[in-house]
Amino acid sequence: GAGVSQSPSNKVTEKGKDVELRCDPISGHTALYWYRQSLGQGLEFLIYFQGNSAPDKSGLPSDRFSAERTGGSVSTLTIQRTQQEDSAVYLCASRSRAGLAGGPPDTQYFGPGTRLTVL
Amino acid sequence: GQNIDQPTEMTATEGAIVQINCTYQTSGFNGLFWYQQHAGEAPTFLSYNVLDGLEEKGRFSSFLSRSKGYSYLLLKELQMKDSASYLCAVLLRKAAGNKLTFGGGTRVLVKP
Repeated sequence: GAGVSQSPSNKVTEKGKDVELRCDPISGHTALYWYRQSLGQGLEFLIYFQGNSAPDKSGLPSDRFSAERTGGSVSTLTIQRTQQEDSAVYLCASRSRAGLAGGPPDTQYFGPGTRLTVL
Repeated sequence: GQNIDQPTEMTATEGAIVQINCTYQTSGFNGLFWYQQHAGEAPTFLSYNVLDGLEEKGRFSSFLSRSKGYSYLLLKELQMKDSASYLCAVLLRKAAGNKLTFGGGTRVLVKP
């Protein structure tokens, strides 16, 4: 597609339920990143995919968080047994090594995010 | 560890100039990005510096000094639409692949 898309845009869930967040990267982008952004804060790195493998998952806050990527494209971030502190905006970004119009190599292009609210 | 600092908030008047500073202490520096993020929207790429000096792009300029671990983003002829958060992000060289580490962001409020 033309840009990174994420779904759902908003998700309200009850504490203890599982949620799945989806990211569709820019077509052809091999690298994909997940970040979390709490209100008024910067971006907190969660996990990085190169193709279907995750060489860096150091930012996942607990074993309740997991992510996968299939076909070198779509990625899902799963949060099990959600807690209120999981409430945040979850942003996905993709990157191509080659420079694109408007950005140098290694530029990450972000999706609109999923706003997760855990009641 | 990695440390990236920028002011939390700045206020300026329409038509004026604002300079947002970013200092960093990192290992494996491989470039510095500035992103703009309007409330409720995705961050969008503004500028990239990998060598020392000034990069100018229209009303926005970004400066880097690698020896001082310092960058700034300069916004000239401020417009109301420039009210947004500005994120400083350092690209780090890692064995697992280059990684962006973000500062907390600077919220800029442009007043008439």
